[in-house]
Amino acid sequence: KNEVEQSPQNLTAQEGEFITINCSYSVGISALHWLQQHPGGGIVSLFMLSSGKKKHGRLIATINIQEKHSSLHITASHPRDSAVYICAVRVSGGSNYKLTFGKGTLLTVNP
Amino acid sequence: GAGVSQSPSNKVTEKGKDVELRCDPISGHTALYWYRQSLGQGLEFLIYFQGNSAPDKSGLPSDRFSAERTGGSVSTLTIQRTQQEDSAVYLCASSFPGLAANKNSYNEQFFGPGTRLTVL
Repeated sequence: KNEVEQSPQNLTAQEGEFITINCSYSVGISALHWLQQHPGGGIVSLFMLSSGKKKHGRLIATINIQEKHSSLHITASHPRDSAVYICAVRVSGGSNYKLTFGKGTLLTVNP
Repeated sequence: GAGVSQSPSNKVTEKGKDVELRCDPISGHTALYWYRQSLGQGLEFLIYFQGNSAPDKSGLPSDRFSAERTGGSVSTLTIQRTQQEDSAVYLCASSFPGLAANKNSYNEQFFGPGTRLTVL
């Protein structure tokens, strides 16, 4: 079993829909990251969380440390949001640079 | 300013040949990372360089894999005697380092576009 599990693996939505992508992890962590990977490979960091909730534009990330679960929400989705969304964690007690990644969720937003 | 660049963007090679993949980090970033992304798999950590410290090579999958970082800037990942299972996208990232004394210290990693390696 992977230490970081994402669901769903694939998600198709219509423009304007509210999107939720889930991430569960089985280890103690010091932080959790959400990354976005567009076709062609480029990866950008969206959020780094250790507790609570963060918001940036139409993106919201939440984390529940006790339940070892995080969600990434996209409000009013748009075709340009189509990408792979990757959850990654930094394991507690480990190095402060090493990330353990989920397999990603492929989001397709149709116009 | 310029981001992380990688070359080549695509590489097709025959099984058994050696390949070299190059990464140019963002100027001033002393931390550099190599990752591998295989089809259907998550990103896999390969190696980490920080300044003049000994690199963390714990993610390299076999002794056919090696990496160098010359002058604290450009890095080269070398795969010797390539195998078909080496086919993947190899991604490089760079960052300012987190403070070694603070396990919670972390700086955002900036990723390059990757090199897609295909071993026939």
